Amino acid sequence: DAMVIQNPRYQVTQFGKPVTLSCSQTLNHNVMYWYQQKSSQAPKLLFHYYDKDFNNEADTPDNFQSRRPNTSFCFLDIRSPGLGDAAMYLCATSPPHRETWINEQFFGPGTRLTVL
Amino acid sequence: GQNIDQPTEMTATEGAIVQINCTYQTSGFNGLFWYQQHAGEAPTFLSYNVLDGLEEKGRFSSFLSRSKGYSYLLLKELQMKDSASYLCACMDSNYQLIWGAGTKLIIKP
Repeated sequence: DAMVIQNPRYQVTQFGKPVTLSCSQTLNHNVMYWYQQKSSQAPKLLFHYYDKDFNNEADTPDNFQSRRPNTSFCFLDIRSPGLGDAAMYLCATSPPHRETWINEQFFGPGTRLTVL
Repeated sequence: GQNIDQPTEMTATEGAIVQINCTYQTSGFNGLFWYQQHAGEAPTFLSYNVLDGLEEKGRFSSFLSRSKGYSYLLLKELQMKDSASYLCACMDSNYQLIWGAGTKLIIKP
């Protein structure tokens, strides 16, 4: 089945220790997103890619970086995690808006990050 | 600024009907989505409205009024598995989703 895969599902890291979260998709969608979601809050868009065009949201902290080496894979790097970065990180994909009537975003299962 | 408002929490009884409201203010409008999110899981797509009116899909229906900046999600014949958060999200002129914080729906037997 076509899907969005995130690894790991649960990640524990120490304060200040770099961590990388991964996302892969078999949907062949051009657009990929990284969201941060804290408990009972709306998902917060960190980055999105339209093909390889990278878009950084204005309020995304410099501590966060992203890479998309090809259509299928996308990585989120947190250079020096702080306690406030503990959250669920959601990867999502969508087809280009011009190609579909509904620009639905398809989400992976998420990676829950704990910072000790 | 862009803003999505929805109630924080609602409670309903198994078998009943519940309506979750959403009001929005966005820069441009390219449709409104409703997503369901169970605790600790990713959001899953429920519905999409871009024209005024009601879209029905089984037990779930979604309504949109663009002139009022208003939508609702209607859930009928509630089941315990419907206990979840329901997120309203609008697509703005840049085709980005602006998300509400979600409405936590609690179903009681």
